Amino acid sequence: DIQMTQSPSSLSASVGDRVTITCRASRGISNSLAWYQQKPGAVPKLLIYAASTLQSGVPSRFSGSGSGTDFTLTISSLQPEDVAIYYCQKYDSVPLTFGQGTMVEIK
Amino acid sequence: EVQLMESGGGLVQPGGSLRLSCAASGFTFSNYDMSWVRQAPGKGLEWVSVISASGYTKDYADSVKGRFTISRDNSKNTLYLQMNSLRAEDSAVYYCGRHIGGSYRVFDYWGQGTLVTVSS
Repeated sequence: DIQMTQSPSSLSASVGDRVTITCRASRGISNSLAWYQQKPGAVPKLLIYAASTLQSGVPSRFSGSGSGTDFTLTISSLQPEDVAIYYCQKYDSVPLTFGQGTMVEIK
Repeated sequence: EVQLMESGGGLVQPGGSLRLSCAASGFTFSNYDMSWVRQAPGKGLEWVSVISASGYTKDYADSVKGRFTISRDNSKNTLYLQMNSLRAEDSAVYYCGRHIGGSYRVFDYWGQGTLVTVSS
């Protein structure tokens, strides 16, 4: 099975900073990659799919890129409401594997 | 408004069984693939099982294969997960999730989850 590895596991940044989270697949998955945001006590929320397609209603400060094995989620200007755990998920085939998550905090 | 509401969780002894349900509303349930995803307390997300819109195609994570069975009743707009031979490591919040459609096994809506605790 393909493994999904996120880095870093956690990060702390200031409001307004540019934040980048990386997700690496152990084998190529084309662009079959989604990103989710899970705030404390809440269910996950879809941010991006097809590696770079922004889900309706998601702020434009979120963007995604990548193909094959290496993907990134970028928050262009970190806001206090972005404090959350972010997960990547591959969906090229089953199993639908999630990364282990990246916790984003405000410095 | 799309709504997914899980039920059926609770405390069960190791080796026991539970049946989870997910009642769907606000969309044409029979048009969408659906999945179960679980999250152990303080841990990450783990996909459990998926079922196609028609119910004919089903897949499972290796960790639950042979013990869990996914099913759906499109006439009742309800998704199910029959869980047998439960183990302590199955303890988690279980979410049902709707796939966005087409070839994208991406989750656009989630229920609030139901907690399953496996303990003696």
